[in-house]
Amino acid sequence: AQSVTQLGSHVSVSEGALVLLRCNYSSSVPPYLFWYVQYPNQGLQLLLKYTSAATLVKGINGFEAEFKKSETSFHLTKPSAHMSDAAEYFCASTAIQGAQKLVFGQGTRLTINP
Amino acid sequence: DAGVTQSPTHLIKTRGQQVTLRCSPISGHKSVSWYQQVLGQGPQFIFQYYEKEERGRGNFPDRFSARQFPNYSSELNVNALLLGDSALYLCASSPGQMNTGELFFGEGSRLTVL
Repeated sequence: AQSVTQLGSHVSVSEGALVLLRCNYSSSVPPYLFWYVQYPNQGLQLLLKYTSAATLVKGINGFEAEFKKSETSFHLTKPSAHMSDAAEYFCASTAIQGAQKLVFGQGTRLTINP
Repeated sequence: DAGVTQSPTHLIKTRGQQVTLRCSPISGHKSVSWYQQVLGQGPQFIFQYYEKEERGRGNFPDRFSARQFPNYSSELNVNALLLGDSALYLCASSPGQMNTGELFFGEGSRLTVL
């Protein structure tokens, strides 16, 4: 069965600092992996997705993530945090390309300090 | 273009009551999925509908049901409400049954059960 674990329910960084949000997956088959962002009182928005084409995936708003099969990880990074990055971030996976049943992690709340 | 729209945005019910939540997908999208997001957790898959047929179901009791209409809009019904049903209910649409993994989410219907 698939599962997704996000390490750290809260992450706080200073404006301009590196953002690193951790995600590990467990899957019996090669997964397809996603990062979604949820701003307050809004729905989820796709940041980026890994579908086996390239291990380093670039997304919107300067975010990127690297798929590491040996570590079963798909961590999200951004070189320089901006105040507008404050939000809840969810890692998700599906074992079947295009399948709509996404399995989400519990989320990481990112706070940006001025 | 309008995104995924959900109604109502907020509602309060008491235990034992029934609730109906509505979702209109993005124009041209034929697939609708429903997710439950309990406070502090990631979304959990409830249903997927495509072309008016149920294509997937999550681990939810039979009190939860849904349907999709000819115009691809959808309703989620929950009977005999329990306190634990309090959550944000998210609707997501996509063009087809199987896609590239990008789901377009609405802002959700926040249900409080007293």
